[in-house]
Amino acid sequence: NAGVTQTPKFRVLKTGQSMTLLCAQDMNHEYMYWYRQDPGMGLRLIHYSVGEGTTAKGEVPDGYNVSRLKKQNFLLGLESAAPSQTSVYFCASSYSPPGGAYNEQFFGPGTRLTVL
Amino acid sequence: RKEVEQDPGPFNVPEGATVAFNCTYSNSASQSFFWYRQDCRKEPKLLMSVYSSGNEDGRFTAQLNRASQYISLLIRDSKLSDSATYLCVVNNYGQNFVFGPGTRLSVLP
Repeated sequence: NAGVTQTPKFRVLKTGQSMTLLCAQDMNHEYMYWYRQDPGMGLRLIHYSVGEGTTAKGEVPDGYNVSRLKKQNFLLGLESAAPSQTSVYFCASSYSPPGGAYNEQFFGPGTRLTVL
Repeated sequence: RKEVEQDPGPFNVPEGATVAFNCTYSNSASQSFFWYRQDCRKEPKLLMSVYSSGNEDGRFTAQLNRASQYISLLIRDSKLSDSATYLCVVNNYGQNFVFGPGTRLSVLP
């Protein structure tokens, strides 16, 4: 099993450009998440999904959109990139919802995005 | 006050040393607690869950103190391969995970 994969691994954008980050998981997980990680800060949740066709906002959703058209894929879109969106983006998935003592989130390798 | 706080370190310790990290959380309703490990420029991976009674996994011991709202991670007989950032994670049932900023550990030869 590949687990959670993310494409691309690296990307440089100019301010105002758009792009889509793709996350795919082969573990048949219902729950998927997009986080961003910035120096000195913990991972912050951007958007998440509790199943195919459903999405919800996390802690820092502004400037991002998501879609979950297929259970195994979760897309993160930046419509008009800004320098403040320079970050490392991690996708994660889990079998059960957060809250259980035995819940584990599996992370993809990350996408390093720079917005100039 | 941040919801989950950790000393960022770095903690520089020699091989074989014992090192402990603490993590404090502000939400007294928090129910689940975890330690994740993140290697440099890699993704986080679950190290261990933290149970109310405390739990041990080899050289690693995790403790929960609900009264003082902190969890701890003890690493005995440190190895060079333990060098990483350790992330404290807290959440309530039905809520999403809250990650601490991480504590960086460097084990020196």
